[in-house]
Amino acid sequence: AQKITQTQPGMFVQEKEAVTLDCTYDTSDPSYGLFWYKQPSSGEMIFLIYQGSYDQQNATEGRYSLNFQKARKSANLVISASQLGDSAMYFCAMRDMDSSYKLIFGSGTRLLVRP
Amino acid sequence: DAMVIQNPRYQVTQFGKPVTLSCSQTLNHNVMYWYQQKSSQAPKLLFHYYDKDFNNEADTPDNFQSRRPNTSFCFLDIRSPGLGDAAMYLCATSRDWEQGALAKNIQYFGAGTRLSVL
Repeated sequence: AQKITQTQPGMFVQEKEAVTLDCTYDTSDPSYGLFWYKQPSSGEMIFLIYQGSYDQQNATEGRYSLNFQKARKSANLVISASQLGDSAMYFCAMRDMDSSYKLIFGSGTRLLVRP
Repeated sequence: DAMVIQNPRYQVTQFGKPVTLSCSQTLNHNVMYWYQQKSSQAPKLLFHYYDKDFNNEADTPDNFQSRRPNTSFCFLDIRSPGLGDAAMYLCATSRDWEQGALAKNIQYFGAGTRLSVL
């Protein structure tokens, strides 16, 4: 069965520093897609970044980058130059191999950015 | 401007009293989803619509129903809310253009409705 594991329930980072949020996954399918979403206290889930299993390069979107290590089955999110607005819950997710529509979420990491 | 709009943002209902949550979208996406999210947990998919085709998750209680009268609107009906149904309910949409495990099909979420059951 597919599974997403986020081992850091909570993390602190100093403003302007970089932070890495861990995500490991388990799947028997060689084809898979990985997602990161941000959920501020307001509730809305915001899509951040996507990595396909066959993508040659690690995904990047502005201050967000994905450290994709296929052999280790890890897809860690790196946020550079943290801002106070980055304080939120972050979820790693994977496309369900049996459905084009269903996402399997990890348990999330709560990030707090200190001024 | 918000593209997936959920109303109301906060809903209080009484135990056993039916309640309806609404979701509208301006993206013209053909897939709409309803998630339940309890405190400090990941969202849990309840069901989704692909156009008018309704797809229920196997573990979604019968107490939860949904309607999609047109592309733009989708409703979540809770027929007899229990205390355990107090949660955040998130609506999301995606535009179907890819199939398979690599499908990107980014889901765009609304801000959610926080339901309290008294």
